[in-house]
Amino acid sequence: DADVTQTPRNRITKTGKRIMLECSQTKGHDRMYWYRQDPGLGLRLIYYSFDVKDINKGEISDGYSVSRQAQAKFSLSLESAIPNQTALYFCATSEGTANTGELFFGEGSRLTVL
Amino acid sequence: GEDVEQSLFLSVREGDSSVINCTYTDSSSTYLYWYKQEPGAGLQLLTYIFSNMDMKQDQRLTVLLNKKDKHLSLRIADTQTGDSAIYFCAPRPGGYNKLIFGAGTRLAVHP
Repeated sequence: DADVTQTPRNRITKTGKRIMLECSQTKGHDRMYWYRQDPGLGLRLIYYSFDVKDINKGEISDGYSVSRQAQAKFSLSLESAIPNQTALYFCATSEGTANTGELFFGEGSRLTVL
Repeated sequence: GEDVEQSLFLSVREGDSSVINCTYTDSSSTYLYWYKQEPGAGLQLLTYIFSNMDMKQDQRLTVLLNKKDKHLSLRIADTQTGDSAIYFCAPRPGGYNKLIFGAGTRLAVHP
């Protein structure tokens, strides 16, 4: 089983709908991240959380919100989806700055907003 | 903030060496990573270099770091079709645990 699991893997929705992408991890890491991937733009950080009580905005947080329900779970919500939020979304985890800080990624959630 | 630049495409012949280049702006970057993304998959760490090193070799991979010019490169020797993927350069600015990713270089390996 994957260490970082994202659901759903694919989702098609309509403009204005509320969407939640979920991420769960079995690595025991405190730090979790949501990134968005667009062709030619690489990965951009949406939100990150360093522990259960910590939520921080990334580069492109507008239109998104997150919830850290437990150490192992970090969900991303689009309250009212719009077409330019069509992208591939990745959840990632890491241990922290005491080591190399390697990120471990899920397999991605492809979201299409019509 | 940190800016990271990579060329978007690289095409090489099987068996040749591939060199993927990256430039960044934040001189405080401590760790500099290369991630690989295969089709339909998430990113996986390929290798990394610490900022006090100028070279790191790991089997077919060689990472070169020029801190003065803020230039990072990844050389893949004897490139194989299985190396076809997108390669992301990702420096970690000092004092942060957030990686800043380049746009990714799509490596195509042809016979």
